[in-house]
Amino acid sequence: AQSVTQPDIHITVSEGASLELRCNYSYGATPYLFWYVQSPGQGLQLLLKYFSGDTLVQGIKGFEAEFKRSQSSFNLRKPSVHWSDAAEYFCAVGAGQTGANNLFFGTGTRLTVIP
Amino acid sequence: DTGVSQDPRHKITKRGQNVTFRCDPISEHNRLYWYRQTLGQGPEFLTYFQNEAQLEKSRLLSDRFSAERPKGSFSTLEIQRTEQGDSAMYLCASSLLAGSEQYFGPGTRLTVT
Repeated sequence: AQSVTQPDIHITVSEGASLELRCNYSYGATPYLFWYVQSPGQGLQLLLKYFSGDTLVQGIKGFEAEFKRSQSSFNLRKPSVHWSDAAEYFCAVGAGQTGANNLFFGTGTRLTVIP
Repeated sequence: DTGVSQDPRHKITKRGQNVTFRCDPISEHNRLYWYRQTLGQGPEFLTYFQNEAQLEKSRLLSDRFSAERPKGSFSTLEIQRTEQGDSAMYLCASSLLAGSEQYFGPGTRLTVT
């Protein structure tokens, strides 16, 4: 069965510092992987996705993620965090024959940015 | 592109009442999804449509829940005889094709008292 684990419930970083959010997935086939961001009271915004090809994917707002099949991981990174990045971040894996009939989400990582 | 819209944004109802939520997807998107998100959790898949056909339902979608997409455009999610455990954020998403990324609406927050 598909599942996503985000080991870090809450992370605090200083503005300007680098960021890495961890995501591990369990899926029997080649996964379709996503990172979404959710600000308070808002819906989810897609940051980036991995379907195939280059394992390092670039997203919006300066985020990137690397797919590592051997580690079943898809960690999200940003070299320099801005105060506006404070939000909840969700990793998700797409299921189904075409990879995204429905998404399985992790429990999220809440990011706090301190000045 | 106006994005995915949902109505209402907030709904407070008493236990036992029926509620209906509406989702308007991005206009050219064929697929429409419903998710439920409870506090401190990630969204959980409920069901999805390909045009007007409902192709998959999660076991989370009990008999009290019904979803429709009658003309392949907007969709409604109805919950009958609401229970306190139904309190959650109900999210709608749409995608252009199978396997493409899903775009989410702002959600409808349901509170059952």
